[in-house]
Parts: sequence; structure tokens; C-alpha cells
Amino acid sequence: GENVEQHPSTLSVQEGDSAVIKCTYSDSASNYFPWYKQELGKRPQLIIDIRSNVGEKKDQRIAVTLNKTAKHFSLHITETQPEDSAVYFCAVRYGQNFVFGPGTRLSVLP
Amino acid sequence: DADVTQTPRNRITKTGKRIMLECSQTKGHDRMYWYRQDPGLGLRLIYYSFDVKDINKGEISDGYSVSRQAQAKFSLSLESAIPNQTALYFCATGRDGNYGYTFGSGTRLTVV
Repeated sequence: GENVEQHPSTLSVQEGDSAVIKCTYSDSASNYFPWYKQELGKRPQLIIDIRSNVGEKKDQRIAVTLNKTAKHFSLHITETQPEDSAVYFCAVRYGQNFVFGPGTRLSVLP
Repeated sequence: DADVTQTPRNRITKTGKRIMLECSQTKGHDRMYWYRQDPGLGLRLIYYSFDVKDINKGEISDGYSVSRQAQAKFSLSLESAIPNQTALYFCATGRDGNYGYTFGSGTRLTVV
């Protein structure tokens, strides 16, 4: 089956700095990669996604890059703000469902 | 706004009791899912359904059952709750194709 690893498990950055979270996957047939943000006590929410025919996608301060050859994709957050503090999950489409990474707890320090 | 609603939000139950968690959606999505979230383990799939007549086991279905009463409703049951089923449970909806899920607000279940 699909195996999704996510690193780091925790990440602390100073406000205004950038944050990068990386996920690796095992099945080369996977073709869709969403990212979710889960704030404390709330539900996971989709923040950005990328399909396998695209190498990079941006939405304001967040971006996702995909390297299909190496089977990894990364979430980039620039100019971090306190409200970016949350747990971030990557996911990989595997067959008809998704496999989720274990999550990264991001803390943005003022 | 179209949404995914779970009830109850919090529940404490005793070992051996039967409990049902309910999920309803106004997204109009055909696909519905139940996930369990434990610290450090991410989201693990319990059961999923692609339409009213379709029920499929996920990676951790033992000890759970589900019912898809209508396109908009998907219930998860614990027939005889045990303490290691203490977790945060999320319902999610989705549609065919490369699209992400919409998650419900979650049910925090504690089995004592």
C-alpha cells in the first residue's frame, strides 16, 4: 500500500520567517496531493492542493511544490504569522481514497 | 453555507456500551468517510461509502460498524466501546475526481 512520511513532526519559526514541510510517498501512480490545516480544537481544512501535471502552485503566502520523480512534495509558507500556528497534514491520493501523513505541528513565535 | 455536521460534539461513555456517532451533510457529495484521529498517528480511515448502497472497510474497521441511511447521512457505531477507542472522530465528504475532502466538526469520544 501507499506509505506517506512527513517531516518535521514539529517546527518552530519566528514570525515573518518561512516554513517548509515535506512529504514523501511510495506509489508512483499517485497523482493528487492536498494539504490540510488543523487549528487547535477545529476540523482539518483544505488549504492548497496540486495535481501531478503541475510542478508548483501558489496561493498568496502558501505554495506547494511537487517532484514526481523523487516522489516528494512540500508546503511552503512565507512571511509566517501567528495565525499560521496549527497542525498541517499532507495527503496522497491512493486509488479511490487518501493516505494522510502523521502531521506537522507548526508554531509561529512572536 | 453547505457543511458537514457531526453529533454529538463530545461524549463520555462506559466500557461495553453501544454508541452511535452521526454525520449529515449539505454539500451534495456522494462520498462519505469516517476517520479516527489520535495524537501522532494522523487520520486513519475506519469506513467509507461511495453511495447509499455501498459500504467499505478502511484500515481500522474492527470494533466499528456504519450505516448509510441516505445520501446525506452516514453513522458510525461502536457496538461495545472499549477504552482504546477513545479518540477524536471525523466524518468527511468528497466527490469523484481529484478533489479534497470537507471534514465535519469532529466528535471527541472518551470511553471510561
